[in-house]
Amino acid sequence: AIRMTQSPSSFSASTGDRVTITCRASQGISSYLAWYQQKPGKAPKLLIYAASTLQSGVPSRFSGSGSGTDFTLTISCLQSEDFATYYCQQYYSYPSFGPGTKVDIK
Amino acid sequence: EVQLVESGGGLVQPGGSLRLSCAASGFTFSSYWMSWVRQAPGKGLEWVANIKQDGSEKYYVDSVKGRFTISRDNAKNSLYLQMNSLRAEDTAVYYCARDQGSGGDCSGGSCYSDYWGQGTLVTVSS
Repeated sequence: AIRMTQSPSSFSASTGDRVTITCRASQGISSYLAWYQQKPGKAPKLLIYAASTLQSGVPSRFSGSGSGTDFTLTISCLQSEDFATYYCQQYYSYPSFGPGTKVDIK
Repeated sequence: EVQLVESGGGLVQPGGSLRLSCAASGFTFSSYWMSWVRQAPGKGLEWVANIKQDGSEKYYVDSVKGRFTISRDNAKNSLYLQMNSLRAEDTAVYYCARDQGSGGDCSGGSCYSDYWGQGTLVTVSS
């Protein structure tokens, strides 16, 4: 099974900050990577697939990059509604998720 | 509008069984792979199982193989998860999700999920 790790596990940020979350796969997964946002008590929401393709309706301040084993999710200008937990997921083989990165208010 | 509504969760004793359902609407259900994903209280997401459009391919995470069965009824636009021999570690919110894959299809169950239901809570406890 492909293991996914994320860093950091949590951090505090301010509105307007540029934030970057890193995801690493235990083996190469090409660009078969998705990013999700989850708020407390809510279902996950797809943000990005194929490592860098923005899902329809997702604000352009979200972007993704990477291929192989190392990936990043960047939020260019953090908004109040972006405080949430973010998960990466590989779908190169049977899907598996990273442990999540919680972004809270500084 | 795509809608996925799960039902069937509840409290069950260890060793017991439960059947989850997911009612889909707003899209052509028979054209998509579908998944179940779970989330234990305070924990991260774990993919559980997925199923091809016609039910001919099914894949499971190792921890549920032989205990859980995913199925679908395209005539009823419904997805199911039969859970047997339940354990305390199966306690979680179970989400139904619509799947997508590279090039629009999931090869060998390799999918991401573009729409999710609100989830149904399964608690396994005596």
